[in-house]
Amino acid sequence: EPEVTQTPSHQVTQMGQEVILRCVPISNHLYFYWYRQILGQKVEFLVSFYNNEISEKSEIFDDQFSVERPDGSNFTLKIRSTKLEDSAMYFCASSEGRGSNQPQHFGDGTRLSIL
Amino acid sequence: AQKITQTQPGMFVQEKEAVTLDCTYDTSDPSYGLFWYKQPSSGEMIFLIYQGSYDQQNATEGRYSLNFQKARKSANLVISASQLGDSAMYFCAMREVNTDKLIFGTGTRLQVFP
Repeated sequence: EPEVTQTPSHQVTQMGQEVILRCVPISNHLYFYWYRQILGQKVEFLVSFYNNEISEKSEIFDDQFSVERPDGSNFTLKIRSTKLEDSAMYFCASSEGRGSNQPQHFGDGTRLSIL
Repeated sequence: AQKITQTQPGMFVQEKEAVTLDCTYDTSDPSYGLFWYKQPSSGEMIFLIYQGSYDQQNATEGRYSLNFQKARKSANLVISASQLGDSAMYFCAMREVNTDKLIFGTGTRLQVFP
């Protein structure tokens, strides 16, 4: 069964450094998403992406964050000048369509630890 | 206000028994989708089942079924014939029609014992 692939599975970074999280969505999916889950808390929406541009973002997704689809398969989340509170599990997801009936399929996540 | 409420932080069930995980939601949109995800201890999020607001029948996927009561705004997940591998966190989520985002509840930790 096709799946969303995320790399790395675990990233440890010094505070203030930049980090890029990578995702390969399911190949026929057109809509891509990033979510994060701080340890022990809810999963929170960060951003959605379609047709090479951001379609929606949350208040968490400020200037520190950016997303890109650098080629036909990868979808990346860049976090600049990381802070301790950026430590979380980051999930990439994709869906075939945009409607409220479209399930979003998640990757296994990248656990980001900021030291 | 909470959009998705899961009132059971933890549930226990014996193997082979059925268990119901509660979820209530709040929306003024007439069109929305409700989803359940499983998160094992390894951390991945696994899509289980979907229910649309206009669906007349309750959704079923194998051992998973959704008890959808629209008037009560509840979408409880029923797992039949529980297995040890069902031990995980379970999240209820909703997507309204004019937004891309899934809104998640706080989750219920299910533990299946022999």
